[in-house]
Amino acid sequence: DAGVIQSPRHEVTEMGQEVTLRCKPISGHDYLFWYRQTMMRGLELLIYFNNNVPIDDSGMPEDRFSAKMPNASFSTLKIQPSEPRDSAVYFCASTTTGRNQPQHFGDGTRLSIL
Amino acid sequence: QKEVEQDPGPLSVPEGAIVSLNCTYSNSAFQYFMWYRQYSRKGPELLMYTYSSGNKEDGRFTAQVDKSSKYISLFIRDSQPSDSATYLCAMSAVEGGKLIFGQGTELSVKP
Repeated sequence: DAGVIQSPRHEVTEMGQEVTLRCKPISGHDYLFWYRQTMMRGLELLIYFNNNVPIDDSGMPEDRFSAKMPNASFSTLKIQPSEPRDSAVYFCASTTTGRNQPQHFGDGTRLSIL
Repeated sequence: QKEVEQDPGPLSVPEGAIVSLNCTYSNSAFQYFMWYRQYSRKGPELLMYTYSSGNKEDGRFTAQVDKSSKYISLFIRDSQPSDSATYLCAMSAVEGGKLIFGQGTELSVKP
């Protein structure tokens, strides 16, 4: 079975550029989460969706960050304009409603803003 | 103070040792407790999932939750070099809801 698929795996871009990260959740999962991981702050939840609807975006750092889920099989996280402090590994995870259902993580996008 | 505290290590042990990893938390609403393992350049993968207090065993891994002390532990018996990874505790107040992660403990098991 295919797991959570994220693209690109690596992104290097210059400050001020727009960055778009993509995620395909596991088929049938109705929850999708976006996380950011840094050495200083660890793994932090940015936003999560249920049935394509944003439920909690309190972790989104500022207006430069936006996330969308146009359908059940695709989500994007966009940063515009990007800044060096946005450099981190961004993870997408998905899960489904039900007892003891864990979040399944993708392998992340390693983002470097120069 | 962070909601979940975890010693980042690094922790280095010889092969075959018993490893103890711990987290403390401050939010008494947490009821679901998890341990994730993360290999270098990979996403976290679930190791153990526990609801409320008690112990859970799975092979060489045992998870313990003490809600009265707001303290959770993961024990690894007969540790192997393949156990070398970062271990993250995570917890939530509602099933399937927002997870709060610890900082992660980097473990190295030497042959």
